[in-house]
Amino acid sequence: KAGVTQTPRYLIKTRGQQVTLSCSPISGHRSVSWYQQTPGQGLQFLFEYFSETQRNKGNFPGRFSGRQFSNSRSEMNVSTLELGDSALYLCASSLDNNSPLHFGNGTRLTVT
Amino acid sequence: QKEVEQNSGPLSVPEGAIASLNCTYSDRGSQSFFWYRQYSGKSPELIMFIYSNGDKEDGRFTAQLNKASQYVSLLIRDSQPSDSATYLCAVNIRGTGNQFYFGTGTSLTVIP
Repeated sequence: KAGVTQTPRYLIKTRGQQVTLSCSPISGHRSVSWYQQTPGQGLQFLFEYFSETQRNKGNFPGRFSGRQFSNSRSEMNVSTLELGDSALYLCASSLDNNSPLHFGNGTRLTVT
Repeated sequence: QKEVEQNSGPLSVPEGAIASLNCTYSDRGSQSFFWYRQYSGKSPELIMFIYSNGDKEDGRFTAQLNKASQYVSLLIRDSQPSDSATYLCAVNIRGTGNQFYFGTGTSLTVIP
């Protein structure tokens, strides 16, 4: 079974730009979550989608948004990029609540 | 107070020894507990999960959960240099859907 696929693997953007990251979950997994990982803060929850609905949202500004499509694929968007948005963005899928998260390889975003 | 606390380490053990990694959590509504391993530059990979008090063994790994003390640990027997990584503890709290709270991780080095 294919794992979680994230694209692109690396991104370099300048401040003020916007970016869209993509995630394809494991087949059959309907829950898709996004996390931001930085050396100082560790893994921080961004949001979770299930059956195209956002079920939970973390403590991030409105510049961070996401969506899920009917095939469970998900995208997250960050607008008006700031230097502090530089991080590893991880997508994870799971079968349902309380099930283990399975992470993709991540997208390394660098904002200059 | 953070939801999940881990000693950041670094923790060093000789090859063949038992490595003991510890994690405490603050919310008594925490219902499921996960250990992830993350190699430098890679994404987290699931090692084990545990839902009930007691021990759960999988190969060289044993997860131990004590809900009364709000404590979960991971023991790695016969540690190998390939076990050198950062170990992340994560909890899922009842009522928060599929949102996971991660500790900042413990860095483990196994010395040959």
